[in-house]
Amino acid sequence: QQQVKQSPQSLIVQKGGISIINCAYENTAFDYFPWYQQFPGKGPALLIAIRPDVSEKKEGRFTISFNKSAKQFSLHIMDSQPGDSATYFCAAIVARAGGTSYGKLTFGQGTILTVHP
Amino acid sequence: SQTIHQWPATLVQPVGSPLSLECTVEGTSNPNLYWYRQAAGRGLQLLFYSVGIGQISSEVPQNLSASRPQDRQFILSSKKLLLSDSGFYLCAWSVRGGVPEAFFGQGTRLTVV
Repeated sequence: QQQVKQSPQSLIVQKGGISIINCAYENTAFDYFPWYQQFPGKGPALLIAIRPDVSEKKEGRFTISFNKSAKQFSLHIMDSQPGDSATYFCAAIVARAGGTSYGKLTFGQGTILTVHP
Repeated sequence: SQTIHQWPATLVQPVGSPLSLECTVEGTSNPNLYWYRQAAGRGLQLLFYSVGIGQISSEVPQNLSASRPQDRQFILSSKKLLLSDSGFYLCAWSVRGGVPEAFFGQGTRLTVV
């Protein structure tokens, strides 16, 4: 029930294209969904996050779409650039006050994105 | 601003040797602290978390232990390393009762030989 399933495992996109990464979860107690970007040999860096009371959040070229009824959320990278080539992780957390998750993230397995010039 | 320091960046240790990885956070108080392990450059597995000094919770049984001797210091240890302990270890912190995202250090690549 704690699992977050992420797809695809790898993704190749041409420069200027749209990259789409999908995640699905089971635990309806999750109430905060961050995405992380990780470059080789570095720690993951927070990219963008969303709460389930909104269906979409956009920051620059990055957009999260959220479907609460389907328990799915996705990351869209518009106008993908070679510099976006990295591993992307979706995550979920029970963030509300009184929860006992203590900020523990449940991660998807990651998507290796390659953007060709 | 808050920063997290993790060292060393890389480490090669023989089987059976001890391990000590250190992580410190600056610019915040009473953070939640975490140790994650990442195998084969992919998924992150939570190993330990701490909500306060001396308070450690283990997520998976293993050959490792963690300690929090000071508010912003988190240490990952082992008395005797196994080959299977090789991996990329990441320390992270989050604001207790605040924004729920975790912020990661740059990681330690541990190779047990």
